[in-house]
Amino acid sequence: AQSVTQLGSHVSVSEGALVLLRCNYSSSVPPYLFWYVQYPNQGLQLLLKYTSAATLVKGINGFEAEFKKSETSFHLTKPSAHMSDAAEYFCAVRGGNYGGSQGNLIFGKGTKLSVKP
Amino acid sequence: EPEVTQTPSHQVTQMGQEVILRCVPISNHLYFYWYRQILGQKVEFLVSFYNNEISEKSEIFDDQFSVERPDGSNFTLKIRSTKLEDSAMYFCASSEMGQVYGYTFGSGTRLTVV
Repeated sequence: AQSVTQLGSHVSVSEGALVLLRCNYSSSVPPYLFWYVQYPNQGLQLLLKYTSAATLVKGINGFEAEFKKSETSFHLTKPSAHMSDAAEYFCAVRGGNYGGSQGNLIFGKGTKLSVKP
Repeated sequence: EPEVTQTPSHQVTQMGQEVILRCVPISNHLYFYWYRQILGQKVEFLVSFYNNEISEKSEIFDDQFSVERPDGSNFTLKIRSTKLEDSAMYFCASSEMGQVYGYTFGSGTRLTVV
C-alpha cells in the first residue's frame, strides 16, 4: 500500500532563505508523486508532479523537487523564500488499484510554511 | 482559468441531519472525486465517479454517504445522518481523462456537525 510521510508540521524560514519541505513515500508500484499548495480559504493547487520522467521536477512559483528512489524521498525546495509562499504544502502519492495514469491521491499530513520578513 | 466551484463554503448542521454538499466540476471534465480533511489530519480520498457510477471508493465511504450527478453540471455528496466525526473540510475535484495528475480541486466546504 502507498503512503506519504511529511517531516515537520510547521517550518519557518526568513524571506530570501532556502525552503526545504521533506516528503518520504512508500509505494509498491512505481510512484507518481505530487506537491500541492493550499493558501488560506482556497483549494489545493498543484505545484509540481513526478510521473516517471525526469527526476528533477520544476513547478510553479520557483519550486522544484527531486525524486530519489534510493531514499524514497521527494523533497520540495525553493532557493529563496518569498512572503507570498506562506501556505500549507501537501505531498501526495498515487494510490488506488488503477493501472496507467488513473487512481486516487494519498496525501501527507501537510507542512505549514511561515515566512518571516 | 476554469475552476471547480463548491457550495456552500461553510455548513453547520445538527447531528443526525442529512447534508448535501454541492460541486460544479469543470465543464469538459468526465471524472469527479470527493476528498475530505478532518482538522489536523490528512486529506483522505472518499470516492471517484465516472460515467454516472462510482468507480472507486475508500473504506470511509460507507452506507451513509452517496454521490450523484443530478444534472449535467452538478456533482453532489450526500451524508444521510451526520455524526460529529463527519466534521471536516470536504474537497471536490475533477479531471478530464481520469489522470491522477490532472486533478483540479475546489476550495472546499467546511462541514461542522454540532
